[in-house]
Amino acid sequence: AQRVTQPEKLLSVFKGAPVELKCNYSYSGSPELFWYVQYSRQRLQLLLRHISRESIKGFTADLNKGETSFHLKKPFAQEEDSAMYYCALSEKGNTDKLIFGTGTRLQVFP
Amino acid sequence: NAGVTQTPKFRILKIGQSMTLQCTQDMNHNYMYWYRQDPGMGLKLIYYSVGAGITDKGEVPNGYNVSRSTTEDFPLRLELAAPSQTSVYFCASSYTGGYGYTFGSGTRLTVV
Repeated sequence: AQRVTQPEKLLSVFKGAPVELKCNYSYSGSPELFWYVQYSRQRLQLLLRHISRESIKGFTADLNKGETSFHLKKPFAQEEDSAMYYCALSEKGNTDKLIFGTGTRLQVFP
Repeated sequence: NAGVTQTPKFRILKIGQSMTLQCTQDMNHNYMYWYRQDPGMGLKLIYYSVGAGITDKGEVPNGYNVSRSTTEDFPLRLELAAPSQTSVYFCASSYTGGYGYTFGSGTRLTVV
């Protein structure tokens, strides 16, 4: 069955430290993967998607099909990065349903 | 550009009461979704729709119903509220899933 696993509920770092939020998936086909972010009192919003290979707010994520991972990375964390981060996998087809991981809360201390 | 609008933002229901959570999008998206977000559990798909007149169950549909009479609206109906339905509900839409979803601001529902 398709599944997205985010093993860390909470990740705490100091400002300027590197950040890696882990995401592993299980999917039988060719996945489309996303990272969504939810800042305090704001709605969920798309951060980035693997197909575009972009860097948003200094974050990048590389799809590793061999390790079935899509970890989110940033070399130097900022306090404003503190938020809830969700990894999600799209079931490609005519529904494009998203399967979400359980989320990781990132806390960046000054 | 309003995007995805959900109403109400908060609601307290008594066990057995009914209510409809409203969701409207103005982006002419074909795909719409309802998720619930429980602490530590991530988001679970309740129902989804690929276009007006077409709906289907997601992972956790029991206790809910939906309709999609127009492209813009995708209301979620709770018929007999139960404490297990206490959650935050998110509506989302997409043109096609490959571009990601646009989410509403959520409805925090408490059933007592």
